[in-house]
Order: sequence, then structure tokens, then C-alpha cells
Amino acid sequence: DSGVTQTPKHLITATGQRVTLRCSPRSGDLSVYWYQQSLDQGLQFLIQYYNGEERAKGNILERFSAQQFPDLHSELNLSSLELGDSALYFCASSVGTANYGYTFGSGTRLTVV
Amino acid sequence: DQQVKQNSPSLSVQEGRISILNCDYTNSMFDYFLWYKKYPAEGPTFLISISSIKDKNEDGRFTVFLNKSAKHLSLHIVPSQPGDSAVYFCAALTGANNLFFGTGTRLTVIP
Repeated sequence: DSGVTQTPKHLITATGQRVTLRCSPRSGDLSVYWYQQSLDQGLQFLIQYYNGEERAKGNILERFSAQQFPDLHSELNLSSLELGDSALYFCASSVGTANYGYTFGSGTRLTVV
Repeated sequence: DQQVKQNSPSLSVQEGRISILNCDYTNSMFDYFLWYKKYPAEGPTFLISISSIKDKNEDGRFTVFLNKSAKHLSLHIVPSQPGDSAVYFCAALTGANNLFFGTGTRLTVIP
């Protein structure tokens, strides 16, 4: 157990739908990062939050959004889902804003049918 | 645009031998490099890192080498063990706060 909790572990939904992925960071960590891993692809950075504020943005589609709540948990919202959104979505956390060896959760596998 | 590349999707090595995983990058602004290991159904876990001011960092059986002029780094595992079988991701960062990952290399250590 890495200390970063992601729910749900698996999600199957239809095209056009909207889903929410949840992440609880490791205790004491203020930064949360979201990554997407599609088939045969590396981990693509989506977005980072630090202590409730958006810190950095990567290749995140406009149909996707995220937020970090006062208790530091984060949610990634994916809307108007397409087949190509099927992927593993990982959350990671770190103490500060630097990423030296941050900790990943075990991921949410999203399947869009 | 893949700024961090791992050109070998897979590698098989006999137990006890050396495993060498390679990684190339294109962004000369990267100043810190990390290797992550990923088992099935788990998230990546941090393995070893190296700063751009060094050319080698060693931690037990794992050594990372950095060749800045070639924009190349490698991870050496010696001796390789069956438990090392996993997907290894190379990652790099600049002063900005996000990591760029390679596509991973699946290492299989044959007993």
C-alpha cells in the first residue's frame, strides 16, 4: 500500500457519459498529480494541484477537469467520454511542489464502450 | 511529442546476468531523471534517480548512468533476479513541476 488511494479501481461506462475518479493523497502530501496511461503509451501528465490550487497543466483535454478539495483529496472529471479515453488513470502525490520520487496510487482502469 | 523515449518495449535476461535498460531524451533543460518500476495492477514505484550534475548513481543492485552530451541514460541491474520482472519507466523533469515519462520497457528475468 503506497498510501495514495484511488477509487474506483475499475470503471466501465458508455460513450458520451461522464465519470469522476477520486484520489486521496498520502498523509502529509499537499500536491496531487494526475496521469493517463493509454495502451502502449507512457504516462502522460494531465494536471497538478498543490494545496487546493492548480499548479501545472499538461495534455489535459477540455472535456476533462479536476479539483483538489480542502481535505486535499482530488477528483478528476471526465465528460463526453469517447472510446479513446479508455486508459489507466494514475494519481500521485508529493509533499511539496517538487516531484523527486513522488508516490503513485494503483490507478483506475477506465473502459469506455 | 515524446520528449523521453524508451525504444525497447521489452527485454529478456537470464537470472544472474546484467539487465541494461536505455532511455533517451530530447529536452536539454531536463535536470533530474528518475526510474520507476511498475508491477501489474499496481502504480509505478520510485526506484532510483540522478541529478544532471552527476553521471552515475548507485543503489545496491541498481545503477543509473547519465550521458548528458548524448542525452542518454541507462539503468543497470546486476545481478538480475526474477522479482525484477516488471515494466520500467524512465522519467525526466525540469524546474517545472511535472514529470515526462517514457513509454516503458518490460523486463523479464528468466530463472
